[in-house]
Amino acid sequence: KNQVEQSPQSLIILEGKNCTLQCNYTVSPFSNLRWYKQDTGRGPVSLTIMTFSENTKSNGRYTATLDADTKQSSLHITASQLSDSASYICVVRATGNQFYFGTGTSLTVIP
Amino acid sequence: DGGITQSPKYLFRKEGQNVTLSCEQNLNHDAMYWYRQDPGQGLRLIYYSQIVNDFQKGDIAEGYSVSREKKESFPLTVTSAQKNPTAFYLCASSVMTPLNQPQHFGDGTRLSIL
Repeated sequence: KNQVEQSPQSLIILEGKNCTLQCNYTVSPFSNLRWYKQDTGRGPVSLTIMTFSENTKSNGRYTATLDADTKQSSLHITASQLSDSASYICVVRATGNQFYFGTGTSLTVIP
Repeated sequence: DGGITQSPKYLFRKEGQNVTLSCEQNLNHDAMYWYRQDPGQGLRLIYYSQIVNDFQKGDIAEGYSVSREKKESFPLTVTSAQKNPTAFYLCASSVMTPLNQPQHFGDGTRLSIL
């Protein structure tokens, strides 16, 4: 069964600290994995995409990793800011036009 | 600026009433999607369309209907048959290829029952 699981479900960190979000998947055949940020009451916005051949990719303070062998990805946020408070969603695209969504990690950054 | 526009942002439905959620895109994308988002759950696919005048049921299509008369528009009707319609509804669009292009999402419509 194609599934995407994210952990933790929620996370509270102090402003300026780092954190890492996890995504495990069983989707096959795999095309790519994308991390989205969803602010409260808004639609998700793409942060970064990982393809099969990529191990690490950075977008500012966001760094995503992918281990295609173990089917795991992580999103590391460095020097967190209050504006990082949001839900982070992992989405795996199978070959073709099928998308599989994780349930998201709710991140709260407190001053 | 190109993007997806959903309206209204908030919508209230009375018992036995059908309501229609609007979704318009000017990205020239072929594919459009409707998702439902409930607390603690991932996005669930209601319907999707890859071409004008054609659409496919997703995982939770019961109680919903769609149309795709124009490439830019993909309205969703929540019918009275949908017994638990309270949720956040997201519309998205994408190109069919290449596969590394993202889905673009609107800012959602929150539907509540009066």
